[in-house]
Parts: sequence; C-alpha cells; structure tokens
Amino acid sequence: AQSVTQLGSHVSVSEGALVLLRCNYSSSVPPYLFWYVQYPNQGLQLLLKYTTGATLVKGINGFEAEFKKSETSFHLTKPSAHMSDAAEYFCAVSAFTGGGNKLTFGTGTQLKVEL
Amino acid sequence: DAGVIQSPRHEVTEMGQEVTLRCKPISGHDYLFWYRQTMMRGLELLIYFNNNVPIDDSGMPEDRFSAKMPNASFSTLKIQPSEPRDSAVYFCASSPPGWEQFFGPGTRLTVL
Repeated sequence: AQSVTQLGSHVSVSEGALVLLRCNYSSSVPPYLFWYVQYPNQGLQLLLKYTTGATLVKGINGFEAEFKKSETSFHLTKPSAHMSDAAEYFCAVSAFTGGGNKLTFGTGTQLKVEL
Repeated sequence: DAGVIQSPRHEVTEMGQEVTLRCKPISGHDYLFWYRQTMMRGLELLIYFNNNVPIDDSGMPEDRFSAKMPNASFSTLKIQPSEPRDSAVYFCASSPPGWEQFFGPGTRLTVL
C-alpha cells in the first residue's frame, strides 16, 4: 500500500528565507507524486506534480520539488518565502487500486511566514 | 470552466436532521471524490466514483452516510441522521483519466 509522511506539522520561516517542506513516500510501484496547497477557507489547489521524466519539477508561485527515488522523498522548496505563501501544504502519492486514480494524502504542513 | 461547484458552502443543522451536500464536477471528468477534513483526522477520502459507479466506499464512516452519482454532472453526499461529530468541511473533487484532482471550495457543516 502507498503512504506519505510529512515531517513537521508546522513550519515557520522568515519572509525571504528558504522554504523546505519535507515529504517521504512509500510505494511498491513507481509513484506519481503531488503537492497541493490549501489557503484558508478554500479547497486544495495543485502546486506541482511528478509523473515521469525530469525529477526536478517546477510548479506555480516559484515552488519546485525533486523526486529522489533512493531517498523515497519529494521535498518541496522555494528559494524566497513571501507572506502570501502562508497556507497548508499537502503531499500526495498515487495509490494504484483496481479502480485507479486514488491519491493518498499526507497529514499536511502548516507554513507560517513571519516578517 | 467554472471548476468543481459545491453547495451549500455553509450548512448549520441540528442533531438528528438529514443533511444533503451537492457537487457538480468539471465537465468531462470521469472520477469524482468526496473527502472530509477535520482538525483531528485531517483529510479523509470517504468515497469515489468512476463513470458514475462507486468504486471504493471504504472510507464512509458508517451507515448514516450515503453517496450517489445519478449522472456525470451531479453527485450528493447525504448524512441521516446527522450528529455533532459529523461537523467538518466536506470537499468534492473531480479528475480526468490520470491523477490530478481538482477540488471544490468545500461545504462547512456544523451539527449542533
């Protein structure tokens, strides 16, 4: 079965500092990996995804993530945090079932950006 | 495209009442998902459909919960009778063949 572990339920950074949100996955087959962002009182929005090909994936709002098979990781980074990045971030892995298309989500990381 | 549409956005009801949440997926998407989000349990998948057929309902908490998808453009999640512990934000998401899911804005349910 597929699973996702997000290290750190809360992360706080200063505006302009590096953002690093950690995600480790477990999958018995080559995974598809996703990062979603949730702003207050909104639904989840896709930031970026890895399916196949280049292991460094760029997403919206300056975020990127690197798929590292040897480390079973898919950490999310952004070189310089902005106040508007404050939100909850979810990592997800594809879960191959008979019906397909199911995602397993992590428990989320709340990002706080301070002046 | 308008995205996934959910109604109502907010629902306050009393314990024991029936609650019906509604979802209109993005046109052309074959998959529809219902999730529940709470502080204690995070984001939970309740049930999902493929081409209007329920595929996996193992996340439905108990018999008080039921979901239907009578056609490709509409789905409902019903709770009868509702209980205070059902208070949560309920999300609907849809997906084309592939893996990316598009989420609606959610329905915030409060059961008093």
